[in-house]
Amino acid sequence: SYELTQPPSVSVSPGQTASITCSGNKLGDKYAYWYQQKPGQSPVLVIYQDNKRPSGIPERFSGSNSGNTATLTISGIQAMDEADYYCQAWDSSTVVFGGGTKLTAL
Amino acid sequence: QVQLQESGPGLVRPSETLSLTCTVSGDSITSYHWSWIRQPPGKGLEWIGYLDYRGITNYNPSLKSRVTISVDTSKHQLSLKMNSVTAADTAVYYCARTYGSGNNPLSWYFDLWGRGTLVTVSS
Repeated sequence: SYELTQPPSVSVSPGQTASITCSGNKLGDKYAYWYQQKPGQSPVLVIYQDNKRPSGIPERFSGSNSGNTATLTISGIQAMDEADYYCQAWDSSTVVFGGGTKLTAL
Repeated sequence: QVQLQESGPGLVRPSETLSLTCTVSGDSITSYHWSWIRQPPGKGLEWIGYLDYRGITNYNPSLKSRVTISVDTSKHQLSLKMNSVTAADTAVYYCARTYGSGNNPLSWYFDLWGRGTLVTVSS
């Protein structure tokens, strides 16, 4: 079965740029999606179809996808960005989620 | 504003059937695809399955034998039934609007989520 691999945690200083990776076999041939989940809350879509931002998501959030790796980049990290981030892709009409990355603003 | 509200028993006995509903308000349930996704306490997200706007379903292969997703358009409700539950099925269960055009799901995404409901499987 298809797997997506994320680092368990990423730490950055406020104001810096965080990059969260998501790796999967030929992931660049698929669309990558990213969800933010804060403690006790439901996930929120922050990037869809590799690099598109839904309405209401700050421009600080951007995405890319090539080869075997999709990347979520958050520039100018703020305390409010601390959350778990999950990547997601479709494989043979089924959904696969990455294991999630906990982003900490030190 | 579209809202999704999951509901159902918070406690289910092992080997019994878990039954949840998701009530959709503020928009037509027949205009979109819908999914169920779950999250065990302290763990990541797991997709359960979807029902597309035509009423066609597709399930996670690991759960397919135990799961049924259906819709009651008159009640604006999506439902999930999972039989033969075990403690491993303890999780927060989310319904999610699954947005995308066409019949090929590869470009669909979960753009709106309910608040989730915790289901504990225990005797």
